[in-house]
This record gives sequence, C-alpha cells and structure tokens, in this order.
Amino acid sequence: EDQVTQSPEALRLQEGESSSLNCSYTVSGLRGLFWYRQDPGKGPEFLFTLYSAGEEKEKERLKATLTKKESFLHITAPKPEDSATYLCAVQASGTYKYIFGTGTRLKVLA
Amino acid sequence: DGGITQSPKYLFRKEGQNVTLSCEQNLNHDAMYWYRQDPGQGLRLIYYSQIVNDFQKGDIAEGYSVSREKKESFPLTVTSAQKNPTAFYLCASCPGLAGGSSYNEQFFGPGTRLTVL
Repeated sequence: EDQVTQSPEALRLQEGESSSLNCSYTVSGLRGLFWYRQDPGKGPEFLFTLYSAGEEKEKERLKATLTKKESFLHITAPKPEDSATYLCAVQASGTYKYIFGTGTRLKVLA
Repeated sequence: DGGITQSPKYLFRKEGQNVTLSCEQNLNHDAMYWYRQDPGQGLRLIYYSQIVNDFQKGDIAEGYSVSREKKESFPLTVTSAQKNPTAFYLCASCPGLAGGSSYNEQFFGPGTRLTVL
C-alpha cells in the first residue's frame, strides 16, 4: 500500500537554529514527491517537486532532497515567519492521485 | 492574476441539507481535485477530474458528488448522506499532460470551512 509518513509531528526551533524535516514514503514507482507549506486556515502553498533520487531544490532558506525511500526538507537559519505546517505528498506511477502525509508543525521562536 | 478561488470561505449546514462548494480556476489547468482536511489527518482525496465531463471517485467519495461541465469549474456538493461533513475543504488544480515538465504540480485554493449546526 502506498504510504507517506512525516516526522517529527511538531518541531520548535530558536531563530537561526537549522534543522531538517523528514518524509518517508512507500510507493510502487514514484512519479513525483511534493513539498507544501500551509499556514493556519489557508490552503497549502506549493514549494518543490522532486522526481528522482539525488535531486535537490532550493528556495531561500529551504532545501529539499530526495532518496529512494525518503525526502528531507532542510531549513537553514530559520526565521519566525517560517513557522507553518509543512506537508509532503507523493504521486505514484500510473495514477493521477496524490497521497499526503499528516505534516510537521514548525514553530520558530524569536 | 491567475489562481484558484473557493467560495464561500465559511459555510454552515443544517442536518439533512445539501450544500455546494464552489471552485473556480483561471490557470487553464486540465486537472482538478477536491480534498478534505481534518485535524491530525493528512489531506484525503474526495473526487478528481482529469478532463471536462469526466471525473473519478477518490478515497472518501461517499456522501459527496461533483460535476465538471466547464474546464474552469469543479463544484462539490456535500449531501445529507455524508454523516460527518464538518471539515476544511480544499480544491486544487494542476496543468495535466499538456503542462510540460510541471504537469503534476498541484496548486490549492484558500479553502472552505464547513460546519454542521
């Protein structure tokens, strides 16, 4: 069964304290892995798509990496405005459906 | 500005009522999706449509119905058969096969929060 697991569920960081969020996946052929940011009461905001192991993408303080079993979202020197829930999703080959993890709630303290 | 709009932002339903949630996109995307989000759970797929006049059930379609008569619009009806409809509903779209390398990058609307009174 296709599955996505995110860890930790919640993370508190001091401003400037770098860390990583994990997204482990089991899928029968990966068509794509997606990262989103979601603020409370709002729709998810697209961040990155990764397609193959070894791929990396960066945007400001965020960097996403992909292996055959997991993806990491690295946050370098975070600021309070990076506080949000970060969602991971996968799309399996041969399907148009997406499977989402339950997210990591990140709180960055000033 | 291109984007996805959902209306209303908040919706209250009485027991036994059907309600319809609106989703419109002007991104010229072929594919559209409806998800439900509950606290502590990931987004769960209700229905999706890859092309006009065609749609498929997702993982939790019971008690919901959709239509796709226009490319820009994908309304969701929550029927009285849905026993626990209180949730945050999200609509999304992606380019589809005509979208080149970004064909499967989903973009989301702002959501509709439905509460049963």
